Amino acid sequence: QVQLVQSGAEVKKPGASVKLSCKAPGYTFTGHHIHWVRQAPGQGLEWVGIINPNGDSTTYVRDFQGRVTMTRDTSSSTVYMELRSLRSEDTAVYYCARAHSGSLDYWGQGTLVTVSS
Amino acid sequence: QSALTQPAFVSGSPGQSITISCTGTSSDVGAYNYVSWYQQHPGETPKLMISEVTNRPSGVSNRFSGSKSGNTASLTISGLQVEDEADYYCSSYTSISTWVFGGGTKLTVL
Repeated sequence: QVQLVQSGAEVKKPGASVKLSCKAPGYTFTGHHIHWVRQAPGQGLEWVGIINPNGDSTTYVRDFQGRVTMTRDTSSSTVYMELRSLRSEDTAVYYCARAHSGSLDYWGQGTLVTVSS
Repeated sequence: QSALTQPAFVSGSPGQSITISCTGTSSDVGAYNYVSWYQQHPGETPKLMISEVTNRPSGVSNRFSGSKSGNTASLTISGLQVEDEADYYCSSYTSISTWVFGGGTKLTVL
């Protein structure tokens, strides 16, 4: 059964960093890229980037380049997303989702990141 | 990469059909058949409803269908039901190897 299990909620101060995890048991971890998507309160979905667990290649949306890093640990079937220099506008639910045929077919439960002084 | 354009609100009565449009450019929707649609109920995780423009994943009702013409993709829901009331988002792969979402459409079933 495909499952994506994300880490718990985070509260950070402006300027800090946060590192989120997404564990993907239940399927061949290296067989599918993983997307990261965020959703600010009351807003729509925003694509952040993608990582290929088989080789570690990444692509980030331009707005996040320089502030975001995605990595993976194949031994634990886990991908990570670190976001630095946090600002209040980064307050959102962050989702990881499995890539399949150009779509995002399975989603994690989401991690709420709150940035507040 | 600008967000794809969706109507903010769509409404319909039970049993009716509605269509939600998703307009992009020749660098995303018009260039690839990697358009997908997602349903999100309040407080829940998005759910894939349509992939590759027209494909319905296993378990998704056949009342949901997708199509594309030029730079505009569409999601049609026929035989509207109360439980279809939700937010709907389109997404497309782009020419710079990224993905982009639409702004979302709130569907109200009257």
